[in-house]
Amino acid sequence: AQKVTQAQTEISVVEKEDVTLDCVYETRDTTYYLFWYKQPPSGELVFLIRRNSFDEQNEISGRYSWNFQKSTSSFNFTITASQVVDSAVYFCALSEADRNTDKLIFGTGTRLQVFP
Amino acid sequence: DVKVTQSSRYLVKRTGEKVFLECVQDMDHENMFWYRQDPGLGLRLIYFSYDVKMKEKGDIPEGYSVSREKKERFSLILESASTNQTSMYLCASSAAGGWVEQYFGPGTRLTVT
Repeated sequence: AQKVTQAQTEISVVEKEDVTLDCVYETRDTTYYLFWYKQPPSGELVFLIRRNSFDEQNEISGRYSWNFQKSTSSFNFTITASQVVDSAVYFCALSEADRNTDKLIFGTGTRLQVFP
Repeated sequence: DVKVTQSSRYLVKRTGEKVFLECVQDMDHENMFWYRQDPGLGLRLIYFSYDVKMKEKGDIPEGYSVSREKKERFSLILESASTNQTSMYLCASSAAGGWVEQYFGPGTRLTVT
């Protein structure tokens, strides 16, 4: 069965600290995509990144970076020098193999609180 | 920019009422989705639609139905609201073609008393 696990329910850090959000997935498919979304207090999920199963290169976008390791079925997200505006719930998601429906399987989310 | 709008941000209904949640997207997306979000459970898929008048059950369809008469609009219907349907409801849309990101609306927080 396909599954996404975000074991960290809540993380609190002080501004400027680095923080890593963990994501572990399970799938039988050889082709799949992984996603990260941010849900700020306003409620609307915002797409952050999509990574396919054949591309294990790490990605960096400003203060954000993602580490994809197929060997450990993990797709971890690191925020460098965190800021108060990073406070949100972050969701990791896995796409199913059926490319006609684009269904996503979400983890339970990690709530990040960044204190000034 | 893709825009997904939902008819209400907050809604309070009584047990047994019929409830309609409306979602509209303006990017001509083929796929539309309804999720509910509950603390500790993440997002769970209720129903989705990949074409007008087409619908598929998600993981938790019981107590819900949907309607998609036009491509841009996807409605979630609670035939007889119950207190255990108190939740945040999120609508999303995506283009066809496989493995693409979904775009979400702001959510409707429904309280059933």
